[in-house]
Amino acid sequence: GAVVSQHPSRVICKSGTSVKIECRSLDFQATTMFWYRQFPKQSLMLMATSNEGSKATYEQGVEKDKFLINHASLTLSTLTVTSAHPEDSSFYICSAKKLETQYFGPGTRLLVL
Amino acid sequence: GQQLNQSPQSMFIQEGEDVSMNCTSSSIFNTWLWYKQEPGEGPVLLIALYKAGELTSNGRLTAQFGITRKDSFLNISASIPSDVGIYFCAGLSGGTSYGKLTFGQGTILTVHP
Repeated sequence: GAVVSQHPSRVICKSGTSVKIECRSLDFQATTMFWYRQFPKQSLMLMATSNEGSKATYEQGVEKDKFLINHASLTLSTLTVTSAHPEDSSFYICSAKKLETQYFGPGTRLLVL
Repeated sequence: GQQLNQSPQSMFIQEGEDVSMNCTSSSIFNTWLWYKQEPGEGPVLLIALYKAGELTSNGRLTAQFGITRKDSFLNISASIPSDVGIYFCAGLSGGTSYGKLTFGQGTILTVHP
């Protein structure tokens, strides 16, 4: 298997502030990582593909200026939710690609007040 | 775009019963993955299938990669209460999609002791 961590696991912030979520592959290098958003009792919705050393590729409808992604090393990708609003409250999950499989982090619960 | 139809949407079974769920697609996939997600956690990889016709077991779990490459099933034998969770199938196609997964809608499994 492969281990992926996320930090923080839970964050509460005020409306208008920015929040950074880290995704790390702990025991392997990942050229490609993915960021998902999940609403209660629904499947995962891909937000963007994060490639080490290049710009992220965003899915249709996802604002790249709102959800900033940085993949600065082969083991770390970050998602920054800028000027967060209550509608951004959600469960954010990252995954890291190893060969032909994706391994997921434990998720980050974001609550914007 | 690609879609995966996963069924059933939910299952309520008694401890000890066998469970079967499946995913079908109108598109061909090169890899099929089955994940389990528990509340507040990220998906955990259960079984990965890489070849058409492949049948793979992981303890009480068995999954098969359909011969047409358009479907896959997951069986759980002798279910136990800790099998409770949401099970997702995911398909990976080739090409320039950078390893993006297409997810099924999920099967919510409830096991009564």
